[in-house]
Amino acid sequence: KQEVTQIPAALSVPEGENLVLNCSFTDSAIYNLQWFRQDPGKGLTSLLLIQSSQREQTSGRLNASLDKSSGRSTLYIAASQPGDSATYLCAVYTGGFKTIFGAGTRLFVKA
Amino acid sequence: GAVVSQHPSWVICKSGTSVKIECRSLDFQATTMFWYRQFPKQSLMLMATSNEGSKATYEQGVEKDKFLINHASLTLSTLTVTSAHPEDSSFYICSARDHRGRVGTDTQYFGPGTRLTVL
Repeated sequence: KQEVTQIPAALSVPEGENLVLNCSFTDSAIYNLQWFRQDPGKGLTSLLLIQSSQREQTSGRLNASLDKSSGRSTLYIAASQPGDSATYLCAVYTGGFKTIFGAGTRLFVKA
Repeated sequence: GAVVSQHPSWVICKSGTSVKIECRSLDFQATTMFWYRQFPKQSLMLMATSNEGSKATYEQGVEKDKFLINHASLTLSTLTVTSAHPEDSSFYICSARDHRGRVGTDTQYFGPGTRLTVL
């Protein structure tokens, strides 16, 4: 059974700091991995999608990497801003055609 | 990117009543839609997979008679919470996959969610 774990559960950093969010999954048989952002009481916003054949994806200040063999992904946020404060969710799309989510990392960027 | 809408965005109802939530893919056809539930400060839990033209597939522990799913067309799936109780209060999110690409490369798009509060 696929399990997705995100570390840390919560993170508070000063504005301008670079940070890394971690995601690990137990079964490497995935189609892709997606990082989402969720603001309080809101739905999900897709940030980056990495196919199983890819190693990383970049969008602006965000960079996501995928190491399928070790079951790990990281989301790197450069020069963090208060507007980046949100919960970040990692999700894997499995061979069973299901998407399994991690519990998320709650990020707070202090001005 | 593709858009998935949900209606209503929030609903308050009395215990014992039924509530219907709609999920629509606005600019693509989705043979498969998914319904998730999210409790405060927790992650999304898959409730069921909705298949157009056939019965939904429910995850273990989800009562199919309580959470009725109908996938009436390639752009619409509905979730009906029957005889709602306060413990059903939650954030319900639907998603749809755009299958126009190769299997496994399709992107999953999420609706904005529906906040259900049962009094």
